[in-house]
Amino acid sequence: DVKVTQSSRYLVKRTGEKVFLECVQDMDHENMFWYRQDPGLGLRLIYFSYDVKMKEKGDIPEGYSVSREKKERFSLILESASTNQTSMYLCASIPGLSYNEQFFGPGTRLTVL
Amino acid sequence: GESVGLHLPTLSVQEGDNSIINCAYSNSASDYFIWYKQESGKGPQFIIDIRSNMDKRQGQRVTVLLNKTVKHLSLQIAATQPGDSAVYFCAPGNTGNQFYFGTGTSLTVIP
Repeated sequence: DVKVTQSSRYLVKRTGEKVFLECVQDMDHENMFWYRQDPGLGLRLIYFSYDVKMKEKGDIPEGYSVSREKKERFSLILESASTNQTSMYLCASIPGLSYNEQFFGPGTRLTVL
Repeated sequence: GESVGLHLPTLSVQEGDNSIINCAYSNSASDYFIWYKQESGKGPQFIIDIRSNMDKRQGQRVTVLLNKTVKHLSLQIAATQPGDSAVYFCAPGNTGNQFYFGTGTSLTVIP
């Protein structure tokens, strides 16, 4: 079974802090994604990566950056957290772009005070 | 881009009844459709998919219907059980571009 893990289930940070959300997948998948999920808005794509050191902006990249130094790990960085970044963050991966089904991690619920 | 909408944000059904969750999409070029189920405290999980050359596909207790003419798909769950309580998302797209999700329908099964 594909396993996608996220470093924290719950996280509380203060406004202005730098925040790292880590995601690891154990199935050698090429592509990894970061979404945020908010009530009434569904899942929105922040960034994705189709290879090591490669990244592409999704629909809402503002205020975020990402890092993919190793194939199995995709990090989401909030350079200076703000209260409007309080959300559920979901990581996902797929073997390659010829595949469609995404495998999701359990999510990190981030609260920015 | 794709615009995806679900007709009802919430749906309550009696245990044992059939459930129907509807989804509308905007991009007529979409040729592949996935339904995901998200249980409380978990990430979404794939439940069934359908390609645009089909109008119906059945799984275990679930059926997806696709009407490309009106850009609409539905997920039918037979004999709904308490374990079916979750948020359901449709994700239309194309191979290599399946990144749009609807807002989800929260299904509650009443015992």
